[in-house]
This record gives sequence, structure tokens and C-alpha cells, in this order.
Amino acid sequence: QSALTQPRSVSGSPGQSVTISCTGTSSDVGAYTYVSWYQQHPGKAPKLMIYDVNNRPSGVPHRFSGSKFGNTASLTISGLQDEDEADYYCCSFAGSSSYVFGSGTKVTVL
Amino acid sequence: QVQLVESGGGVVQPGRSLRLSCAASGFPFGKYGMHWVRQAPGKGLEWVAVTSSDETYKNCSNSVRGRFTVSRDNAKNTLYLQMNNLRPDDTAVYYCAKKLPGALGATPDSWGQGTLVTVSS
Repeated sequence: QSALTQPRSVSGSPGQSVTISCTGTSSDVGAYTYVSWYQQHPGKAPKLMIYDVNNRPSGVPHRFSGSKFGNTASLTISGLQDEDEADYYCCSFAGSSSYVFGSGTKVTVL
Repeated sequence: QVQLVESGGGVVQPGRSLRLSCAASGFPFGKYGMHWVRQAPGKGLEWVAVTSSDETYKNCSNSVRGRFTVSRDNAKNTLYLQMNNLRPDDTAVYYCAKKLPGALGATPDSWGQGTLVTVSS
């Protein structure tokens, strides 16, 4: 199972919006709504930001949102803040009790 | 509050075995599926294994299948990862993570802090 494809890096100024794409296939992202997004700061464990494509866990700021079209899922951060600077990973169920993560995207706040 | 604490990591020679543990608290462990995910130094996240709440179904990634086995003891609120025939490319921080509730395909939600496994001669 190959990793889902994410851009290596995205950047934006405080207050701007950025979108991270996560491209898979019709066997993973395109086939299921079990797509999640994780934020990881250096040296820390990942934190769930979005689950089931577009659901936000309690405590996650509303500026984080998710969507999916075909084989590509997306995470949008609206109103970028300094603390959003981190690595972001998508994850999708791939059938037959298997899962696949994205390659990861570094978000830089300029 | 969900708490997951991994242990058992360390330095091991290629070809040897290691068993990781994940002690869970703050939620009804026996009702949730669990994942193992690893992260090689400076690299991205890689899914390793999953087990359902009662071990009815479990699976490992292609890269570890036949060498790693996931299991659990619900009476002890503990998840395990038995790793055999370790290779240098298994070097990574290993995280246990609780599955989101409900669906078969649920992805991880809460994560432990991880335990480092280094495979080197």
C-alpha cells in the first residue's frame, strides 16, 4: 500500500487560509468516508483534527475543516495562526482491515 | 481522560525480538479497537497494525506481516505488539492509538507518547 500523496509543504501569513490535499485511489480515499487528519508538532504525538472526512472533535478550533471529492481529501485552515505551524498527515481506511497514511505536509506560518 | 502509555522499546540487534506494551486508562478499553502506528526518525507516519476490541479481526501492514503480531489483554487494559526478526528499517517511534468508536474502518483518535525502537548491531 503506497502512502497517500500530500504536498511536501504549504505556507501562509497569519489570518490567511491554506489547504492541504491528500490524494489516494478508488480503493482508499475514494471508497470510504473514514478519512482523518492529524497535526503533529516536533517531538510530540499526533493529534486528531478531523475525522470521517469533515467532523471536528471537541476542542479543535472551528478554523479547521475537511472535505473530499473523488480520490482527494482536503484539510483547510482558515485564519492561520502561529500555533498551526506543524506537520499534518491524512489517514484513510483502505479496506480489509488496512489503513494508509499520507506522506505529510509541513505548514509554515510566515 | 484517555491515557495511553507505551513501554518496551530499546536497542536490539537485527534478527532479535521485542515486545511492546501499551497500558490504557480513562476509557473502557475492552470496548475499543486499537492501532499501532510507527514513525521512523525524520519520516512520516506509517500504519502498522490494528485489532478489534475482542481480537475477532486483526491485521498488520504488508511491511511487517509475518514478523509482527498484535494482541491484547482486556483484563489488564493492555495492548501488545510482538516484533520478531527485527530489521534496521523497523527503527522508529512506535505509537499505540485508540480507534474512533463504532465503525470497522475507524481511524485512530487518541495517541500515546510513543516508545523508541532502535534496531542496530
